[in-house]
Amino acid sequence: GNSVTQMEGPVTLSEEAFLTINCTYTATGYPSLFWYVQYPGEGLQLLLKATKADDKGSNKGFEATYRKETTSFHLEKGSVQVSDSAVYFCALSFQGGSEKLVFGKGTKLTVNP
Amino acid sequence: ETGVTQSPTHLIKTRGQQVTLRCSSQSGHNTVSWYQQALGQGPQFIFQYYREEENGRGNFPPRFSGLQFPNYSSELNVNALELDDSALYLCASSPDLREQYFGPGTRLTVT
Repeated sequence: GNSVTQMEGPVTLSEEAFLTINCTYTATGYPSLFWYVQYPGEGLQLLLKATKADDKGSNKGFEATYRKETTSFHLEKGSVQVSDSAVYFCALSFQGGSEKLVFGKGTKLTVNP
Repeated sequence: ETGVTQSPTHLIKTRGQQVTLRCSSQSGHNTVSWYQQALGQGPQFIFQYYREEENGRGNFPPRFSGLQFPNYSSELNVNALELDDSALYLCASSPDLREQYFGPGTRLTVT
């Protein structure tokens, strides 16, 4: 079946540090890939997406590239801020993302000033 | 443009009771999906409705049921509540063949 494995946290960084959160997937076919972010006490917000191999999704300084050869979609940010503290979820779906999302377990990021 | 809204925000129920959670989808979105997020876990897919018909179901027992209305709003019903049903229930809506947008969730506590 389809599944997502992401780096388990928690991850603690200092402000302006470089962030990488690893995500790999297993899927039959070619899914769309997503990163969602969940701030404390809130629902999920779509952070970025990529719908085909070699696509790069980007938003708010975060980036992730869809790598079919390594079945990966690692999240990166060059300089994190305290406001980036949240839980990050990697997910896959089909039909452009309208089919059921399969999520990883989430990675909690804490950024200290 | 109004986003996805859910009600109530929080709910406390007793084991064995029944609960109904509600979701209003984002304008122009005809697909609604429901997810259960246990504490410290990723969301798990419960089911999806497309134009008022069930369009896929996850590994949840039949006591989890749903509806979608002509205006594309939706309800999630859970019968015979169990302690393990305590979780954040998330609703997400999407237009045809596009990504899903989530509401803030309903926190259900079963005692």
